[in-house]
Amino acid sequence: AQKITQTQPGMFVQEKEAVTLDCTYDTSDPSYGLFWYKQPSSGEMIFLIYQGSYDQQNATEGRYSLNFQKARKSANLVISASQLGDSAMYFCAMREKTSYDKVIFGPGTSLSVIP
Amino acid sequence: DTGVSQDPRHKITKRGQNVTFRCDPISEHNRLYWYRQTLGQGPEFLTYFQNEAQLEKSRLLSDRFSAERPKGSFSTLEIQRTEQGDSAMYLCASSLAQGLGQETQYFGPGTRLLVL
Repeated sequence: AQKITQTQPGMFVQEKEAVTLDCTYDTSDPSYGLFWYKQPSSGEMIFLIYQGSYDQQNATEGRYSLNFQKARKSANLVISASQLGDSAMYFCAMREKTSYDKVIFGPGTSLSVIP
Repeated sequence: DTGVSQDPRHKITKRGQNVTFRCDPISEHNRLYWYRQTLGQGPEFLTYFQNEAQLEKSRLLSDRFSAERPKGSFSTLEIQRTEQGDSAMYLCASSLAQGLGQETQYFGPGTRLLVL
């Protein structure tokens, strides 16, 4: 079974608009962390934002925010005020304490920002 | 530059040859991870080290693959008798494990392998 599901293979957004990238996860471990990474065409994975399973508030980092709904096991990434440089692949990932802290990645969502 | 570095960035080899990749983590990081990424997929975990100890290996890591981190600093990933199915991007990441909640992995630029 897929641990991380990203149901949107590709998304388009108009420049300066907000966009939400979906992520659902599957775990029975009460202690886990959720990450979002950006991978531009150059190939490097860039860390964006982190949410811990025990965190009470949704994480925010600049234009990035994470809509964490624990009961629904979803961790959607919201990018506000999209910029052309946001065009990239976006990966949702999870680390479980019981899995020796290795990180499992989802299949990714390709985001294209339209001028 | 104090980020994660990988060498080489690209490697083309013939089937059956051995290849070795190197990863230099962020200097104070005690954990080092190897991932493989094929086109259109997310990275898949291969193995990781805490200091010089290899703590876990994925079932993806066949006996043709071996990884080392002899002094707890840089790491090498060797693939013996390469096959065309080994063609992928090999990503290295490092992190600082402090027993706290967030432990972010920082990735290198990757080594893109093409097996002909």
